[in-house]
Amino acid sequence: GAVVSQHPSRVICKSGTSVKIECRSLDFQATTMFWYRQFPKKSLMLMATSNEGSKATYEQGVEKDKFLINHASLTLSTLTVTSAHPEDSSFYICSAVLAGGGETQYFGPGTRLLVL
Amino acid sequence: GEDVEQSLFLSVREGDSSVINCTYTDSSSTYLYWYKQEPGAGLQLLTYIFSNMDMKQDQRLTVLLNKKDKHLSLRIADTQTGDSAIYFCAEKGTGGGNKLTFGTGTQLKVEL
Repeated sequence: GAVVSQHPSRVICKSGTSVKIECRSLDFQATTMFWYRQFPKKSLMLMATSNEGSKATYEQGVEKDKFLINHASLTLSTLTVTSAHPEDSSFYICSAVLAGGGETQYFGPGTRLLVL
Repeated sequence: GEDVEQSLFLSVREGDSSVINCTYTDSSSTYLYWYKQEPGAGLQLLTYIFSNMDMKQDQRLTVLLNKKDKHLSLRIADTQTGDSAIYFCAEKGTGGGNKLTFGTGTQLKVEL
């Protein structure tokens, strides 16, 4: 149980285009999902907290107009990297917390984004 | 803000025990977690411990928590080559929203 998927797993795009990454909780409902960014050989950096039916809460230094988050249902959150640039290339990982007050975050497999 | 530190690298022989250490600064931590990340993959939850516990054992994994020293360790008994990965500790404070602060990660290499 508690499986989280991400789509796509890898994406290569041209500079200036927008890329949407989906995060789905497959066998549970998640009122809260998190989006992280991980640089090579580095730890995870929390970008934002996504709450179903409300606006996302962004961490300091993360541009909300650059990284658009939509949490339209209890099983789906999307992260859109708008007007992507090479410095946005990274590994993006989402996690989900069980609805009903669970403490544990369950992580997706990650999405590798390469902007040329 | 909160800070979580780990040693960057650990090498052990197959069959030996591995001990991965983690220190944190947030004295209000409620839960502490250990996650495993294999190359190119997301994070797999291995185990967690509530802050009022000293030890938790789950098959080959033993977690020790010294709350006074803010020190957490993960012991892997009979380490196998499949245990080679990066291990992250993470702590959850009392702030709202289930936010986690992750350590820097320890790369475990298991040699034959």
